[in-house]
Amino acid sequence: AQRVTQPEKLLSVFKGAPVELKCNYSYSGSPELFWYVQYSRQRLQLLLRHISRESIKGFTADLNKGETSFHLKKPFAQEEDSAMYYCALSGLSGNTPLVFGKGTRLSVIA
Amino acid sequence: DSGVTQTPKHLITATGQRVTLRCSPRSGDLSVYWYQQSLDQGLQFLIHYYNGEERAKGNILERFSAQQFPDLHSELNLSSLELGDSALYFCASSVGAGDTQYFGPGTRLTVL
Repeated sequence: AQRVTQPEKLLSVFKGAPVELKCNYSYSGSPELFWYVQYSRQRLQLLLRHISRESIKGFTADLNKGETSFHLKKPFAQEEDSAMYYCALSGLSGNTPLVFGKGTRLSVIA
Repeated sequence: DSGVTQTPKHLITATGQRVTLRCSPRSGDLSVYWYQQSLDQGLQFLIHYYNGEERAKGNILERFSAQQFPDLHSELNLSSLELGDSALYFCASSVGAGDTQYFGPGTRLTVL
């Protein structure tokens, strides 16, 4: 069964501290992994996807197939990073829908 | 702004009623997806349309139906509404199946 687990509902860090939002998945096949972010009063938007290997707003995520994880990291948190973060997966074939985790609320304290 | 629009923004109705939620995808996008977001279930995929045809179904109840019209806008119909149907309903669009999905602002449905 396809499943995405985000173990932390809420993560609070101080400004300038490193951030790691955890995401584990289960999928029989080759998944594509994503991180979506939802800032206050805004729509859900794509932050990054593993195949593009980009760093967006200082965030990176590495797909670890051995540990079936796709943790989101940022070395120095900013107050504007406070938001809801969702990890999601889909199949590489493109015909499978996104399966989302339940989200982690990141709160960056000044 | 991602370009996906949804109407209405808010909808309050009573149990047993029927409502229609509307989604207009980004210009050029052929795929439309519907998701339901509730406090206990999180974001759940409901249904996917590509160029007017249903492509995939998720956890969509039989009381719910959707369609994508020739102009590519989509409607999600919810009937015999129950209290538990209260949720945020998101629409997303992409160029094709498997491409990056862009989300609309959502419709908040409250069933009293």
